[in-house]
Amino acid sequence: NAGVTQTPKFQVLKTGQSMTLQCAQDMNHNSMYWYRQDPGMGLRLIYYSASEGTTDKGEVPNGYNVSRLNKREFSLRLESAAPSQTSVYFCASSEDRSGSYEQYFGPGTRLTVT
Amino acid sequence: SQQGEEDPQALSIQEGENATMNCSYKTSINNLQWYRQNSGRGLVHLILIRSNEREKHSGRLRVTLDTSKKSSSLLITASRAADTASYFCATGYRGQAGTALIFGKGTTLSVSS
Repeated sequence: NAGVTQTPKFQVLKTGQSMTLQCAQDMNHNSMYWYRQDPGMGLRLIYYSASEGTTDKGEVPNGYNVSRLNKREFSLRLESAAPSQTSVYFCASSEDRSGSYEQYFGPGTRLTVT
Repeated sequence: SQQGEEDPQALSIQEGENATMNCSYKTSINNLQWYRQNSGRGLVHLILIRSNEREKHSGRLRVTLDTSKKSSSLLITASRAADTASYFCATGYRGQAGTALIFGKGTTLSVSS
């Protein structure tokens, strides 16, 4: 089992460019999540998906869109990147949507927007 | 705003000493979880304590929960250099699509040999 995988590991964008961060899990989990981590801010929830076909906003959804392509894959799209979106992005998954199960995290994508 | 807040923000101890981190949260919870993050890596789940539990142990970890004070503590006994990491508490956030976790800002623990 690879667990949760994320691509790319690193990315540099210019302001206004778009890109999609990919996330996949092979644990047959129902729920998937996207977080961003900034120095001194901990992790903040961007979007999450309790099951295929459902998504909901988290704490900081502005400037992002998500797609739950199937049970395995959950992508995060930046339509027009801004320097404020420079961060480390983590994808996570968990067995169910009750919040009672542990989340498994990917290794992160380090994004710099210049 | 973030649900959980850890205290202290940073903690430096010697190997063999105990490390205690605290977490306060704002709303009622079903459970509270603790995670560890080594530098530059993803988070790893440590322990989950349910709202009807007061204390839970896992190896050198001891977690307490006081729902009346909306607080939890994580104790790492006999710390090792390998325990150097950031530690986060997380509580549930109920939205339209189900429940997600909201994390605090974390405590950075440095254990020196």
